[in-house]
Amino acid sequence: QKEVEQDPGPLSVPEGAIVSLNCTYSNSAFQYFMWYRQYSRKGPELLMYTYSSGNKEDGRFTAQVDKSSKYISLFIRDSQPSDSATYLCAMSGRNQFYFGTGTSLTVIP
Amino acid sequence: DSGVTQTPKHLITATGQRVTLRCSPRSGDLSVYWYQQSLDQGLQFLIQYYNGEERAKGNILERFSAQQFPDLHSELNLSSLELGDSALYFCASSEGTSSFTEQFFGPGTRLTVL
Repeated sequence: QKEVEQDPGPLSVPEGAIVSLNCTYSNSAFQYFMWYRQYSRKGPELLMYTYSSGNKEDGRFTAQVDKSSKYISLFIRDSQPSDSATYLCAMSGRNQFYFGTGTSLTVIP
Repeated sequence: DSGVTQTPKHLITATGQRVTLRCSPRSGDLSVYWYQQSLDQGLQFLIQYYNGEERAKGNILERFSAQQFPDLHSELNLSSLELGDSALYFCASSEGTSSFTEQFFGPGTRLTVL
């Protein structure tokens, strides 16, 4: 079993839609949960991170962590064509760091 | 632009060969991380150095090694290359020792093993 599971998609939505991206994990030692965005042929860039359980909001982006279910989500409101990218979840704890395989998102104008 | 630089951008080599990838962290960052990204495995953490010392180790093969120099740049050495080593190799840097949460990624080196 992989440490982090992420549906690879691809996901295609119309502009303005709400997008929901999710990851599950198996290691209860993970304490930090992150979402990265990666454009084609570029390095990942950090969108947001949360510590332990709870929600965090930053503009159109909301990250949720449910440690009891070992499930994290990223919501994108009012999606824009510029949001088209691959979104990777990542988790860390006890000096270990794991990425999901990424979900490819296309927002259609 | 994250401020992290990696060279070369592309590298094509043959099986059995050895290559060195180079990374310069952002100014002021003491930690350097190396990652491998392939289509089937996704992004995998290889190793972290902090101020010249190995700090954390992920799924790094024995054929791979890394080091961080006094000027804080880092090199990833890949030897006895196999076809399966073809991937994008990213370097990231952060200010602190355990800042997995605030890493800045470089543009990557695309390695092709023929």
